[in-house]
Amino acid sequence: EVQLEQSGAEMNKPGESLRISCKVSGYRFTSYWISWVRQMPGKGLEWVATIDPSDSYTRYGPSFQGRVTISGDKSISTAYLQWRSLEASDTAIYYCVRHNLKAVAGVPYWFFDLWGRGTLVTVSS
Amino acid sequence: QTVVTQEPSLTVSPGGTVTLTCASSTGAVTNGNYPNWFQQRPGQPPRALIYSVDNKYSWTPARFSGSLLGGKAGLKLLNAQPEDEADYYCLLHSGGAWVFGGGTKLTVL
Repeated sequence: EVQLEQSGAEMNKPGESLRISCKVSGYRFTSYWISWVRQMPGKGLEWVATIDPSDSYTRYGPSFQGRVTISGDKSISTAYLQWRSLEASDTAIYYCVRHNLKAVAGVPYWFFDLWGRGTLVTVSS
Repeated sequence: QTVVTQEPSLTVSPGGTVTLTCASSTGAVTNGNYPNWFQQRPGQPPRALIYSVDNKYSWTPARFSGSLLGGKAGLKLLNAQPEDEADYYCLLHSGGAWVFGGGTKLTVL
């Protein structure tokens, strides 16, 4: 079965570091990009960062550059999102989603087909 | 930084038709923005519905369709069902980044 298994809920204090994970199964980890998406309580979706696991190329959303780090470990088919110093405003559900670019008759298509169930991160003193 | 705008809320009658739209602050939405649409029910992760304008997944109900219209991306729902009540988000690629719209809360009533 193809799935993205996310790590469990976290409760941390401001200033602490944290790493959450997204382990893929049922397909080749390096064949699809992985993005992280934030959803703050009662709010919409925000793109956080993207990694191409085949070469570790990364891109970050403007609001997240310098605040988080996305990475991947090909040996265990797992993507990560980490913080060096959490803030209360990081409280949210974080989803991982796989996506890819395919070309049909020379026409490119980007698709985002599979989502993890989310990791709730709560930051409070 | 691109801002993507959706209707905050819409209401459709059961069996009715509604179109949700997705606009970009940088200009007309095109195929090159690869518009994707997602449905999110309360307490659940998002679910993919449409990719790159008008392409459906194997699980996408036939009553949903995507298009470009009037410089925006659109998600059309025909014959609305009670289970279609949810939040809907569009996603565009712009300036090397992915940007979500603010979402549309669709009520079936």
